[in-house]
Amino acid sequence: NAGVTQTPKFQVLKTGQSMTLQCAQDMNHEYMSWYRQDPGMGLRLIHYSVGAGITDQGEVPNGYNVSRSTTEDFPLRLLSAAPSQTSVYFCASSYLMGFSGNTIYFGEGSWLTVV
Amino acid sequence: RKEVEQDPGPFNVPEGATVAFNCTYSNSASQSFFWYRQDCRKEPKLLMSVYSSGNEDGRFTAQLNRASQYISLLIRDSKLSDSATYLCVVQAGTALIFGKGTTLSVSS
Repeated sequence: NAGVTQTPKFQVLKTGQSMTLQCAQDMNHEYMSWYRQDPGMGLRLIHYSVGAGITDQGEVPNGYNVSRSTTEDFPLRLLSAAPSQTSVYFCASSYLMGFSGNTIYFGEGSWLTVV
Repeated sequence: RKEVEQDPGPFNVPEGATVAFNCTYSNSASQSFFWYRQDCRKEPKLLMSVYSSGNEDGRFTAQLNRASQYISLLIRDSKLSDSATYLCVVQAGTALIFGKGTTLSVSS
């Protein structure tokens, strides 16, 4: 019963480096999304996808890329890491939005530090 | 105005107390409403959905007032294990908008 799996859990990057946060879900959910959570800021939506081949920007997309080649996977790429991207990142998935009571399942989070 | 605003907290209450959290949202077209719970350094987890008629789950009661664009969560007979951050979540279109959360600390 894997649910939403995120890797890595912890990562330290140097400014300018690139990396990919992996997210996979085994619940056949159409909707997947990435959030970042910073102290005092709450969860903010970075990118989301409503199905394979479809992605869209959220509230804070700059500096991040996503792709959705399969229903299961939704990787988040940091193109050139900056200290401002130090944060906790959560991947989440659910059946398509619009139905009251849909549960959003979150991964356990990825703690990223950019030095 | 923020899309979803919550009581800033923190709320520090003794065991057995009743505590209420409030949340307001700005998008009148919002469709669905939820309360999530987040423990320290953990992922958010669904506590309960919020329906127009109000709903109850054990010691937890959620209310929605669409006219005032207001959501509430009432916790009765607080337990130590209720200590967490409670997130108000509003769905608008395909996006979920999270409030910043209200921290509850229950002490013995």
